[in-house]
Amino acid sequence: EPEVTQTPSHQVTQMGQEVILRCVPISNHLYFYWYRQILGQKVEFLVSFYNNEISEKSEIFDDQFSVERPDGSNFTLKIRSTKLEDSAMYFCASTGLAGQETQYFGPGTRLLVL
Amino acid sequence: GEDVEQSLFLSVREGDSSVINCTYTDSSSTYLYWYKQEPGAGLQLLTYIFSNMDMKQDQRLTVLLNKKDKHLSLRIADTQTGDSAIYFCAERSRTGSARQLTFGSGTQLTVLP
Repeated sequence: EPEVTQTPSHQVTQMGQEVILRCVPISNHLYFYWYRQILGQKVEFLVSFYNNEISEKSEIFDDQFSVERPDGSNFTLKIRSTKLEDSAMYFCASTGLAGQETQYFGPGTRLLVL
Repeated sequence: GEDVEQSLFLSVREGDSSVINCTYTDSSSTYLYWYKQEPGAGLQLLTYIFSNMDMKQDQRLTVLLNKKDKHLSLRIADTQTGDSAIYFCAERSRTGSARQLTFGSGTQLTVLP
């Protein structure tokens, strides 16, 4: 069964460093998302991406964040200058054509900012 | 904005039925979902229901939707120890062009032997 994959599974970084989290969505999917889950808190929407552009973003997704689909398979989330409060589990998700409403999530990348 | 609420904990005995409840505020919700998260793992989609349905059954899982009260429940029949996990309710709103989900805080289900 096709699945969303994410790398790395864990990342530790120093405050102020840039990190890039990588995702490979399901191959025929068209809509891509990033969510995050701070330990013990709700899963929160960050951004959605369709047709090579951001379609919506939350207020969490400030200028420190960016997303990119550099080729036909990868979808990345970049945090330019990490803060302690960026420590969280980051989930990528994808969904297919209109009418296919199932949103599939990857296993997540656990980011720890020291 | 949209809000989704769940009780935080539920304990049941193995073999009993579990019922996990969820309430939401957005009356324009189109789809409602249940995801399962095991320790250290990602979010596994269990089932979803379209807002014009009242009930959906899938093997041991039964989803009930009361749209008037904005209440969603997930019933797991014959609960097993492998069902121990956090269960998230999520809704997708009709508003907005994208399809982002709003999640509840999750219900920790503990299955006792």
